Amino acid sequence: DGGITQSPKYLFRKEGQNVTLSCEQNLNHDAMYWYRQDPGQGLRLIYYSQIVNDFQKGDIAEGYSVSREKKESFPLTVTSAQKNPTAFYLCASSLLAGVFTDTQYFGPGTRLTVL
Amino acid sequence: DQQVKQNSPSLSVQEGRISILNCDYTNSMFDYFLWYKKYPAEGPTFLISISSIKDKNEDGRFTVFLNKSAKHLSLHIVPSQPGDSAVYFCAARDISNFGNEKLTFGTGTRLTIIP
Repeated sequence: DGGITQSPKYLFRKEGQNVTLSCEQNLNHDAMYWYRQDPGQGLRLIYYSQIVNDFQKGDIAEGYSVSREKKESFPLTVTSAQKNPTAFYLCASSLLAGVFTDTQYFGPGTRLTVL
Repeated sequence: DQQVKQNSPSLSVQEGRISILNCDYTNSMFDYFLWYKKYPAEGPTFLISISSIKDKNEDGRFTVFLNKSAKHLSLHIVPSQPGDSAVYFCAARDISNFGNEKLTFGTGTRLTIIP
């Protein structure tokens, strides 16, 4: 069945290590997004991609990097430059880039804890 | 600068009664609004949306009202059921960023339905 998968659900890393979070969708959606959620805050956009091999920075891109080599995959790397990486990370996708009424659908999320 | 505000962090409602969740926004370029529901440790799920050309949109037990002059929208759930207990996020899209489908989220309201 179709959907967005994120793995792993829980991830622990030592401070100073880079870590890559996986996001895969089999919905044939054009656009994909990465958000971060912190306690008491709304979702904040990290990066988004409207088409393969292209992506744009969101509101809080510093310390993160992404790639979009395949339509169905949009991995997020949390680098050692990210000052406060412990958070709940959510990946989303939407069918058509450039359609403002399009709905974003979310994956189940990955909780990253940096020790 | 919080452009989408949900001023009530929590709300408790008796089962069977009406739940009203509120959302205010400051950016006059927001032209499309969505409500998402989120359970703990899961990704948000889309509930209902409304375009600025409407002032009301209804889907089963869920109705969203938009007051553009007041820059205010609300989500009504009636009758409220125990499964409605979750965090509800309001989100808005800036139509002037056509082609860049970024959503701006509020901080969420935790709704608890009391049996």
